[in-house]
Amino acid sequence: DAGITQSPRYKITETGRQVTLMCHQTWSHSYMFWYRQDLGHGLRLIYYSAAADITDKGEVPDGYVVSRSKTENFPLTLESATRSQTSVYFCASTGLALTDTQYFGPGTRLTVL
Amino acid sequence: KQEVTQIPAALSVPEGENLVLNCSFTDSAIYNLQWFRQDPGKGLTSLLLIQSSQREQTSGRLNASLDKSSGRSTLYIAASQPGDSATYLCAVRPGYNTDKLIFGTGTRLQVFP
Repeated sequence: DAGITQSPRYKITETGRQVTLMCHQTWSHSYMFWYRQDLGHGLRLIYYSAAADITDKGEVPDGYVVSRSKTENFPLTLESATRSQTSVYFCASTGLALTDTQYFGPGTRLTVL
Repeated sequence: KQEVTQIPAALSVPEGENLVLNCSFTDSAIYNLQWFRQDPGKGLTSLLLIQSSQREQTSGRLNASLDKSSGRSTLYIAASQPGDSATYLCAVRPGYNTDKLIFGTGTRLQVFP
């Protein structure tokens, strides 16, 4: 199906482990984003990418790493997971301009024990 | 620092009522404002996007207004239905070249039959 997908949908891991969350979009959108959603904080931007091989930090980048070798994929890696990174992670994309509507994936619920 | 507030946090109404959801922002210098819908366990779906030069946007039973000078936006839902039950989020973009969407924490709407 066309659109934006995330995997896995649910993940439980332990403190200190490396975890990678995947995001894939089929629209060839230029811009892609990673957000986390926490109670009381709403959605906060972690990283974004304007195109393949171009990434930049958002509001809460510490502890996360991203890459974008292909336009359609934007994986998010937690290098050494901490309990404070327990959250719901959303990937989003937008096509023509940074200011256009963002389309969101279904989210990944990550629990760090 | 731009802050976005949505009050009330939760709202319960009977089917058929017309209702208004509120979004306030502290800095009137915004580029645009978006309203999103989020169903439980799902990602965000864009409903309406209002540019800073616009006063309102309409889509079906939804009408969003923007008053930049007072730092307010409202989402009007006509003839509410149980299928409208969801969390509604507003987000402002502070400027043209900014990567950031600043989200409110949402209003959880329940429409009962």
